[in-house]
Amino acid sequence: EVQLVQSGAEVKKPGESLKISCKGSGYSFTNYWIGWVRQMPGKGLEYMGIIYPGDSDTRYSPSFQGQVTFSADKSISTAYLQWSSLKASDTAIYYCARRYYYDRSGYYFFTFDIWGQGTLVTVSS
Amino acid sequence: DIQMTQSPSSLSASVGDRVTITCRASQSINSYLNWYQQKPGKAPKLLIYAASSLQSGVPSRFSGSGSGTDFTLTISSLQPEDFATYFCQQSFSTPYSFGQGTKLVIK
Repeated sequence: EVQLVQSGAEVKKPGESLKISCKGSGYSFTNYWIGWVRQMPGKGLEYMGIIYPGDSDTRYSPSFQGQVTFSADKSISTAYLQWSSLKASDTAIYYCARRYYYDRSGYYFFTFDIWGQGTLVTVSS
Repeated sequence: DIQMTQSPSSLSASVGDRVTITCRASQSINSYLNWYQQKPGKAPKLLIYAASSLQSGVPSRFSGSGSGTDFTLTISSLQPEDFATYFCQQSFSTPYSFGQGTKLVIK
């Protein structure tokens, strides 16, 4: 079964650091980009960016550039999202998702086809 | 960046109804449009890709149409399990922005 399994919920204080994980299984983890998506309480989905586990190439959304860091350890099929100094406004559920593509006559249609279960990050003093 | 706008933000309907949700892009995105369904406490689920292609395993009552800047998701006959929030997403260019969501509630 193709799946992404994320690490458990975290409760942190402002200013603390954090690294959450997303472990893939059932497919070739190094061949597909992994995306990160934020969902603040009661709000919509926000695209944060993507990372290619094969070589750790990263593409951040301008809204999140400099605020978070993506990384990956292909030897254990795991992607990471980390913060060096959390803020209360980082409180949200964070999803990882596999970027899959459908080839239609040479045109690549990208989707997020497999999602992790989400990691709730709560930042509160 | 491309902005995605969905309407309505919420929609009240009954089982068996036909419903349509619209999504508009701030610039042409050809057919690079996905639709997701999210139920409370769950991760989003891919329904439609490339504007009109049904993801494997998704019931045929779901359909998508459109190209350029205007897109629609239609549910032909609402089932109880369809009451959820729906999001569109463009994959024409990064950042792959989402619409703000449409919450479908029971009338």
